Amino acid sequence: NAGVTQTPKFQVLKTGQSMTLQCAQDMNHEYMSWYRQDPGMGLRLIHYSVGAGITDQGEVPNGYNVSRSTTEDFPLRLLSAAPSQTSVYFCASSYSPGGKSNSPLHFGNGTRLTVT
Amino acid sequence: GNSVTQMEGPVTLSEEAFLTINCTYTATGYPSLFWYVQYPGEGLQLLLKATKADDKGSNKGFEATYRKETTSFHLEKGSVQVSDSAVYFCALSDRAGNQFYFGTGTSLTVIP
Repeated sequence: NAGVTQTPKFQVLKTGQSMTLQCAQDMNHEYMSWYRQDPGMGLRLIHYSVGAGITDQGEVPNGYNVSRSTTEDFPLRLLSAAPSQTSVYFCASSYSPGGKSNSPLHFGNGTRLTVT
Repeated sequence: GNSVTQMEGPVTLSEEAFLTINCTYTATGYPSLFWYVQYPGEGLQLLLKATKADDKGSNKGFEATYRKETTSFHLEKGSVQVSDSAVYFCALSDRAGNQFYFGTGTSLTVIP
């Protein structure tokens, strides 16, 4: 079972560079999301998607873009990296986050990003 | 709005000690509640969950009871092991929305 797969595991960028963090899941989950994890702040939601073609902003969306062209993939794009975006990024998916299913989130192993 | 407040860490315990990590929440409606665990270098894994008031979630010796009257979901384990050393996150899922809300995490270290 692959579950949620994130690539790369580590990345170093210079200020102003762009990159895409990849996320793929093989569980046929409709819901996918991106979080960033910073010391003392827990996990903060960046963007999420409830299905292909549908995305929405979370708590900290500025500086990040997403798209959802397929059920399986949910890439996160940094258009112009800034040192404040140094963080660990987690992708997570769920059958459904709320409603009647009460399905939990399944997490990838994270991408550690450093912006210098 | 929705939020989760959990006990500040870090927590250090001796092996076989009793563990409690406090978690309280604020939510509209009737959320589902979760505890996740994160081992070093890994993503979060579901530890247990409860979906309605008075439900008790349990897994690997850990337990938590959904207390609506006190809006709490405290994590307990009767006898911790070195292998329980990790960061623990309390979270809620609001049935009215599409988001999970996480606490800031509590780091637990168990020493032999």
